[in-house]
Amino acid sequence: DIQMTQSPASLSASLEEIVTITCKASQGIDDYLSWYQQKPGKSPQLLIYDATSLADGVPSRFSGSRSGRQYSLKIRRPQVDDSGIYYCLQSYSTPGTFGGGTKLELK
Amino acid sequence: EVQLVESGGGLVQPGRSMKLSCAASGFTFSNYGMAWVRQAPTKGLEWVATISYDGGGTYYRDSVKGRFTISRDNAKSTLYLQMNSLRSEDTATYYCTRDRYNSVYDYWGQGVMVTVSS
Repeated sequence: DIQMTQSPASLSASLEEIVTITCKASQGIDDYLSWYQQKPGKSPQLLIYDATSLADGVPSRFSGSRSGRQYSLKIRRPQVDDSGIYYCLQSYSTPGTFGGGTKLELK
Repeated sequence: EVQLVESGGGLVQPGRSMKLSCAASGFTFSNYGMAWVRQAPTKGLEWVATISYDGGGTYYRDSVKGRFTISRDNAKSTLYLQMNSLRSEDTATYYCTRDRYNSVYDYWGQGVMVTVSS
């Protein structure tokens, strides 16, 4: 199985920062990488697919990128409503594997 | 509006069976693959099973292979997960998801809790 190492596990950020969350794949995944946001008590929501494509209705402050086997989710000028847990998912091979999650707190 | 509504969860004893359902609406169900993703209490997300748009292909994680069966009824726009020989480690919230393509899950249900305990 492909392992997705996500970091950091948690972070606290201000509303003026650029938040960066990363996922490193244990092998190449050809950009079959999506990002999800889960707010407390709610279902996950798709943010980014194919590593860099913004899902419908997702604000443009969210963006995705890749460098080698490391994938990043960036949030420019995050809003309080962006608090939650973020997960990456590789779908290059079965089983699809999620990263461990990043808990984001906005202060 | 796309809606996925799960049902059928609850408390079940180890070794027993349970069947989850997911009623879909707001899109042409027969055009999409569907999947189940679960989340154990306070844990992360874990893919469980996927079924192709026509039911011709099914895929499972190793830990549920031979115990769980994913199926669908396109006439009823409903997805199912039959879970047999349940174990305590199957305790989780189970989410029904629409597979946009290549396991990109663009819509999720509200989730249904399954607790396996004596």
